[in-house]
Amino acid sequence: NAGVTQTPKFQVLKTGQSMTLQCAQDMNHNSMYWYRQDPGMGLRLIYYSASEGTTDKGEVPNGYNVSRLNKREFSLRLESAAPSQTSVYFCASSVDRGALRNEQFFGPGTRLTVL
Amino acid sequence: AQTVTQSQPEMSVQEAETVTLSCTYDTSESDYYLFWYKQPPSRQMILVIRQEAYKQQNATENRFSVNFQKAAKSFSLKISDSQLGDAAMYFCAFGIYNFNKFYFGSGTKLNVKP
Repeated sequence: NAGVTQTPKFQVLKTGQSMTLQCAQDMNHNSMYWYRQDPGMGLRLIYYSASEGTTDKGEVPNGYNVSRLNKREFSLRLESAAPSQTSVYFCASSVDRGALRNEQFFGPGTRLTVL
Repeated sequence: AQTVTQSQPEMSVQEAETVTLSCTYDTSESDYYLFWYKQPPSRQMILVIRQEAYKQQNATENRFSVNFQKAAKSFSLKISDSQLGDAAMYFCAFGIYNFNKFYFGSGTKLNVKP
């Protein structure tokens, strides 16, 4: 099992460019999440998908869109990148919405720099 | 609003000694979970320990244990017999049972001295 995989690992964009961060999990998890990590601020939830076909906004959704392509894949899109979106992005998954244990498994992260 | 506060940006401990990392949280929810995650320089987030709010007994995982004080909304992590491999950022996190949302603290960087 690869767990949670993310591509790319690093990316540099110019302001105004668009890109999609890819995430896939092979653990048959229902729920998936996108976080951003900024220095001194911990992780903040951007969007989550409780189950295939549903997505919901998290704490900091502005400037992002997501797609739950199927049960395995959950992508994050920046339509017009801004320097404020320079961050490390983590994808995570968990067994189920409201599951008793609800442990989240994280991918290795994508370091994004917007110039 | 839900918040998680880690008031110690950085801490140091001597190898083989014990250290406690602090975490407080604020919520009006009654059904939730608390977690400690470790993030080594590799950036991989690793679950260290979890605590269900409805359980009074403090969780333990080998050298890691928590002191959960629900009334005080406090959730500290104790690392016993610290090892060099324990050096990392530690994040306290809070999850709401039915809404599948997680809130993380800003992290505590733990240094382990040989």
